[in-house]
Amino acid sequence: DVKVTQSSRYLVKRTGEKVFLECVQDMDHENMFWYRQDPGLGLRLIYFSYDVKMKEKGDIPEGYSVSREKKERFSLILESASTNQTSMYLCASSFIEYRGNTEAFFGQGTRLTVV
Amino acid sequence: AQSVAQPEDQVNVAEGNPLTVKCTYSVSGNPYLFWYVQYPNRGLQFLLKYITGDNLVKGSYGFEAEFNKSQTSFHLKKPSALVSDSALYFCAVRDGGDFGNEKLTFGTGTRLTIIP
Repeated sequence: DVKVTQSSRYLVKRTGEKVFLECVQDMDHENMFWYRQDPGLGLRLIYFSYDVKMKEKGDIPEGYSVSREKKERFSLILESASTNQTSMYLCASSFIEYRGNTEAFFGQGTRLTVV
Repeated sequence: AQSVAQPEDQVNVAEGNPLTVKCTYSVSGNPYLFWYVQYPNRGLQFLLKYITGDNLVKGSYGFEAEFNKSQTSFHLKKPSALVSDSALYFCAVRDGGDFGNEKLTFGTGTRLTIIP
């Protein structure tokens, strides 16, 4: 089975802290994604990556950065956490299109609270 | 730009009745369409997908979806609802054939409640 693992289920951080959310997948997927989920807004794409060291902005990248040094790992970084970044964060991965099986697989989510 | 609309925030269905959760999409190329389900405090689980071929797609847990190109829709259906189907459902789209665009866009979700 595909496994996408997020390092924490719950996090509480203080305003202004630098926060790292880690995600690891074990299926040799090229694509990795970070979304945030908020009630009534669905899933909004923050950043995605289609290869090591490659990244593309999603729909709401402001206040976030990402790092992908290895194919299996994709990190989301909140440079200076703010209360409006309190949310559920979901990591996902998928094959690049030409390898087929285009569905994405999700981690269990990290609920981040910034106080 | 690609987008997905789920026009209903909430759908209530009596147990045993058929259910439909609506989704419409917009892409510039060929749509790759997906349905996911989310149970409380969990990540998203893949249900089914349409890439090409037969317009009626069958997936997990007895769900199916019908692709309608003229109406740009991909509605999720089940002939007989179970209480355990109560969850949050998301539709998603990817612009197939647009190599280099691997972006996956989700709708806002529909909360399905099955009433015993």
